[in-house]
This record gives sequence, C-alpha cells and structure tokens, in this order.
Amino acid sequence: SAVISQKPSRDTCQRGTSLTIQCQVDSQVTMMFWYRQQPGQSLTLIATANQGSEATYESGFVIDKFPISRPNLTFSTLTVSNMSPEDSSIYLCSVVPGSTQYFGPGTRLLVL
Amino acid sequence: GDSVTQMEGPVTLSEEAFLTINCTYTATGYPSLFWYVQYPGEGLQLLLKATKADDKGSNKGFEATYRKETTSFHLEKGSVQVSDSAVYFCALSPNRDDKIIFGKGTRLHILP
Repeated sequence: SAVISQKPSRDTCQRGTSLTIQCQVDSQVTMMFWYRQQPGQSLTLIATANQGSEATYESGFVIDKFPISRPNLTFSTLTVSNMSPEDSSIYLCSVVPGSTQYFGPGTRLLVL
Repeated sequence: GDSVTQMEGPVTLSEEAFLTINCTYTATGYPSLFWYVQYPGEGLQLLLKATKADDKGSNKGFEATYRKETTSFHLEKGSVQVSDSAVYFCALSPNRDDKIIFGKGTRLHILP
C-alpha cells in the first residue's frame, strides 16, 4: 500500500494567480499521476509524472497551464497557473506501488 | 480509445434492498478493472478490483465479476445499508502500473 499526503488540503484563490500543490508519498514510486475532479464530475487524468523526465500530458491539458515537477521518487508538485473560476476542482495525485492505484486526499481549489 | 460506461444516477434504494450498478468497458488487451467509492466529504477509496477474466472482486459485501465476453464489471450487493450512500466509480487500467480511466460515477442514496 501507499500513504499519500497533499498540501494544501484546500485553498481559495483569486483569478489570475497560481497555486502549487504538493504530493508526498511514503514509499518510492516510479510514476505519479495527477487527476482533476470538477464539481459533480468524474476524475480526469491531467498528466503522468516520471522522475527524471518531462511529464506526459493528456489531451486538453498543457504544460504552460499545469507545470509539474518530479524531483525525486517520493514527491511531486502540480501548479495551476493563471487560474480562472473554471479551474475550481479537486486535484488529486495518485501512485501505483504494485497493481493497485492509491489516491491522495485531494486539494480542493476554489477560484473566485 | 479505452473507456468506461456506467449507469447514470442517482440511484435511490431502501435499506436492505439489492443493488446492481452496471458497468461496461471498451479496451484493447486485458485491462484491470476497479470499483472506487467516494463517501460524502471524503477522498477516493478502492472498493474492489479484478485483474483478469472471471476474477471476482469483493469487499464490504460488494462483489463484481470480470466478464470479458460481455466486457462488463457490474457491482452488486445483496443488502444495502444507509452507510453505503456514496458515489461509485467504475474504472479500468489498460496496463499494470498505468493510469486509471474512470466512468462518470453513480450516486447511490439509501433510504432508512
């Protein structure tokens, strides 16, 4: 299993600003995933972050808007840049230590 | 591409009723299949999983069988409780250690 923590747990931000979300795992993992869950919706994969290489983004998501860092095997950050109210969502990181994917508690973001 | 389709909610049942939430998938190869649950105000939790055809995943009285011939992974429970009220997500992973593709979620509401 894996224990995942995220910071901050929630935040309210102004339009046009940026927020960096941190994800910490209690074990070393090769891949980390970042998801978005918009209000009342399912989870959508933003990108896959491998340590030592550029993140791979899904269709509809770009690095300029969601830059990701992966400095080591237990940590990653996702930045939501130049925020608009449409970015109000829960952002979750996840890892796969084995055959099961585990999710962090999420960061609840509200953009005014 | 790979996708998951699950029955739309909300589903409202009385306590002790039988529950079925339908889920079908489209994928190449042999994906792993999952049911995740999100209780009100909480994070995403893995409920059960199955990694190959005819496997049955089970947990907390819930069951789902990986049916490759019908590309289905329906969630069932013989007698639901009020505490089962949550949103249930069917999901697949195309490959081990890979990203998760989620269905849209089914909100379940159990009446006492």
